[in-house]
Amino acid sequence: DIQMTQSPSTLSASVGDRVTITCRASQNIGTSLAWYQQKPGKAPRLLIYKASSLESGVPSRFSGSGSGTEFTLTISSLQPDDIATYYCQQYDTYSWTFGQGIKVGIK
Amino acid sequence: QVQLVQSGAEVEKPGASVKLSCTASGYTFTSSYIDWVRQAPGRGLEWVGIINTRNGNTFYAQKLQGRVTMTRDTSTSTVFMELSSLTSEDTAVYYCARERGRISVNDALDSWGQGAMVTVSS
Repeated sequence: DIQMTQSPSTLSASVGDRVTITCRASQNIGTSLAWYQQKPGKAPRLLIYKASSLESGVPSRFSGSGSGTEFTLTISSLQPDDIATYYCQQYDTYSWTFGQGIKVGIK
Repeated sequence: QVQLVQSGAEVEKPGASVKLSCTASGYTFTSSYIDWVRQAPGRGLEWVGIINTRNGNTFYAQKLQGRVTMTRDTSTSTVFMELSSLTSEDTAVYYCARERGRISVNDALDSWGQGAMVTVSS
């Protein structure tokens, strides 16, 4: 299976800060990468698909970039509502795999 | 609007089986793959498998091969996931989710069910 590794493991930033999360794939997945946001007790929510396409209804402060094995999710100006855990997921090769998740908090 | 409604929480004994359902509405059922993803308490997301709602073809995570079976009923737009020989390691919230885009092209998961808690305990 393709391994997905996210960094950092936890992240704490101030409201208004620019936040960047990295996801690395163990082999080339092209742009078959998605980012999800999950709040406690809730189902995940799709933010980004095809590495950089913003899902409908998602605020424009979220953006994604990358291809091949290195990907990033950026929140341009962190808001209190962004407190959540963020997961990357590859859908290039079965079995789909998720990163371990990054918990984003407010300083 | 697209909606996936899952069956309720289950409590099972070790060695038993559980069968969950996921009923879709708001789109053409056979136009999208349905995946299952689980999340153990306090842990991350783990992909369980996928079903092609058009022809019933499936692919399962290797670690669950032989214990998981996914089926669908196109007349009721419902997907089922059965997991057998349960152990405490199977205790988790199980989500069904739709892949965006058309069948034959795999894609991200754009709509999720509300989740169903499965507890395995003696």
